Amino acid sequence: GAGVSQSPRYKVAKRGQDVALRCDPISGHVSLFWYQQALGQGPEFLTYFQNEAQLDKSGLPSDRFFAERPEGSVSTLKIQRTQQEDSAVYLCASSSSGTSDSDTQYFGPGTRLTVL
Amino acid sequence: GQNIDQPTEMTATEGAIVQINCTYQTSGFNGLFWYQQHAGEAPTFLSYNVLDGLEEKGRFSSFLSRSKGYSYLLLKELQMKDSASYLCAVRDLGQTGANNLFFGTGTRLTVIP
Repeated sequence: GAGVSQSPRYKVAKRGQDVALRCDPISGHVSLFWYQQALGQGPEFLTYFQNEAQLDKSGLPSDRFFAERPEGSVSTLKIQRTQQEDSAVYLCASSSSGTSDSDTQYFGPGTRLTVL
Repeated sequence: GQNIDQPTEMTATEGAIVQINCTYQTSGFNGLFWYQQHAGEAPTFLSYNVLDGLEEKGRFSSFLSRSKGYSYLLLKELQMKDSASYLCAVRDLGQTGANNLFFGTGTRLTVIP
């Protein structure tokens, strides 16, 4: 039953490696969000999808970050040539429509990325 | 942009009441959310306010004053399991119209016996 799931839960990468983080939203949820959460901080918005369309990517910190949701369900966040400052927890959230005033975002457990 | 402030840490006693405050400045306000986050876990939804006033849900209540840019989360009859971070998040329609959430840094609450 499912809530939002993410994989892997933990990822260790060497500086310069590429990584791919997966998000499975709640079935039928139209909207999907990616956030980055540094230690001791609140989540920071990265990007937003409505179905397969990426409507907002203003939070992506650099062009090394790329997200896709080709079939409007599963999403992948890819980070190329990882740097140490990319170390954080990457959270995915989904909501049923994204346009209703009361729409609530439900979060996955996150992927903790450590770049050595 | 958005500016959301909440205390970094609070400590309270089991069985007591605690109030966690949040102030915000945002241009396209469209609602305020409170989430609870235990260490290493996903944020879980607690409450939502879009109109002024108090919303009560069991041991948890949340208050909003839009004119003051102010909200609080009230936790009653504290239990040890309430030890967690509490995140205040403002929804801002912004320029794209998307319902993006902007979070404060979170308040880490420690409940002591």
